[in-house]
Amino acid sequence: AQSVTQPDIHITVSEGASLELRCNYSYGATPYLFWYVQSPGQGLQLLLKYFSGDTLVQGIKGFEAEFKRSQSSFNLRKPSVHWSDAAEYFCAVTPVNDMRFGAGTRLTVKP
Amino acid sequence: DGGITQSPKYLFRKEGQNVTLSCEQNLNHDAMYWYRQDPGQGLRLIYYSQIVNDFQKGDIAEGYSVSREKKESFPLTVTSAQKNPTAFYLCASSLQGAGNTIYFGEGSWLTVV
Repeated sequence: AQSVTQPDIHITVSEGASLELRCNYSYGATPYLFWYVQSPGQGLQLLLKYFSGDTLVQGIKGFEAEFKRSQSSFNLRKPSVHWSDAAEYFCAVTPVNDMRFGAGTRLTVKP
Repeated sequence: DGGITQSPKYLFRKEGQNVTLSCEQNLNHDAMYWYRQDPGQGLRLIYYSQIVNDFQKGDIAEGYSVSREKKESFPLTVTSAQKNPTAFYLCASSLQGAGNTIYFGEGSWLTVV
């Protein structure tokens, strides 16, 4: 069955430090991959998505993600975290006609 | 502005009552979805609809029902059969077909009292 795993439930980084959020998927073929961000009590906003082609994808708010087929991973990165990046981040995959989400990683940013 | 509107934002329900959450979109999307969100469990798919008058069960459809009489609307009814309905509910929509971005509403909080 298709699945998405986000190994880190909670991550804390200092403002200005770099960030990497991990995502692994299980699927027979190359799926469509997404990263979303959610502020408390709000809906989800798309950060970036990967369909094919260049394995390094640029998104909004300075985020990027790299698709690695050999590792079945789609990790999200940001070179320098801002306090406003504190939120919950979800990795998602669309195998066919619906979207499956990981459990999310909550990011805390220390001043 | 185009978007997805969910209402109400907050809803309290007594045990044994059915409640309906509204979801309306003006994005001209064919597909619509309902997700449930609980802390530490991410989003779980309740129902989705690819076209008017047709919908499919997701992973946790028991105790829920939906209808899709209009393209713009996809209401979710939480029935008394749902044993643990207190949660945050998210409606979403997309163009039809795999790989299209799913856009979300702002969510509805349901609390059973």
